[in-house]
Amino acid sequence: GAGVSQSPRYKVAKRGQDVALRCDPISGHVSLFWYQQALGQGPEFLTYFQNEAQLDKSGLPSDRFFAERPEGSVSTLKIQRTQQEDSAVYLCASSLDRVAGNTIYFGEGSWLTVV
Amino acid sequence: KQEVTQIPAALSVPEGENLVLNCSFTDSAIYNLQWFRQDPGKGLTSLLLIQSSQREQTSGRLNASLDKSSGRSTLYIAASQPGDSATYLCAVRPLISSGSARQLTFGSGTQLTVLP
Repeated sequence: GAGVSQSPRYKVAKRGQDVALRCDPISGHVSLFWYQQALGQGPEFLTYFQNEAQLDKSGLPSDRFFAERPEGSVSTLKIQRTQQEDSAVYLCASSLDRVAGNTIYFGEGSWLTVV
Repeated sequence: KQEVTQIPAALSVPEGENLVLNCSFTDSAIYNLQWFRQDPGKGLTSLLLIQSSQREQTSGRLNASLDKSSGRSTLYIAASQPGDSATYLCAVRPLISSGSARQLTFGSGTQLTVLP
């Protein structure tokens, strides 16, 4: 597709349930980012991939959060044993290459509500 | 740690007005600064990207300026329209360091409403 695609767009999970959020970056984009956006706040960094390598996971809030990009394209963000504080929009973004100067493109997000 | 602040948090103006949104950041060692627009229930759309060596960028009715030394950027919107109503976010990207450190640090945004 022409843009960053995320699925599911909306997810309601019961507390304690595991969820998996998928991101399809723009074809050929080397860099992939995951961000978490709470209501009324700006996005906050979770993790960064360069191709299949996860170079930075310093923003992951706990060991319940796990991300992978095994073939350097599609990425999955997994949240285990979801808690109410995990309710947020999870945004995926990609950029063309590892040069920081390139514009970063965002998907429309996966809206997670934990009840 | 980089902190990005946007003032005001919300702004309401009548159609046709020119307006300025403000963004400030605490660490001037940035690689670039990017302004985004976010519509309700949507992701972020990039509006303007300013490299650290640049002073401003223009796209249509939008003009963004950057004063790196003072840690400030402004987004100027000329002749505002109801369709401009959205949340505007600024984000800074740090200079590349020994870590990957490529992530954007965002402000909380300015929610703009342009009244017809």
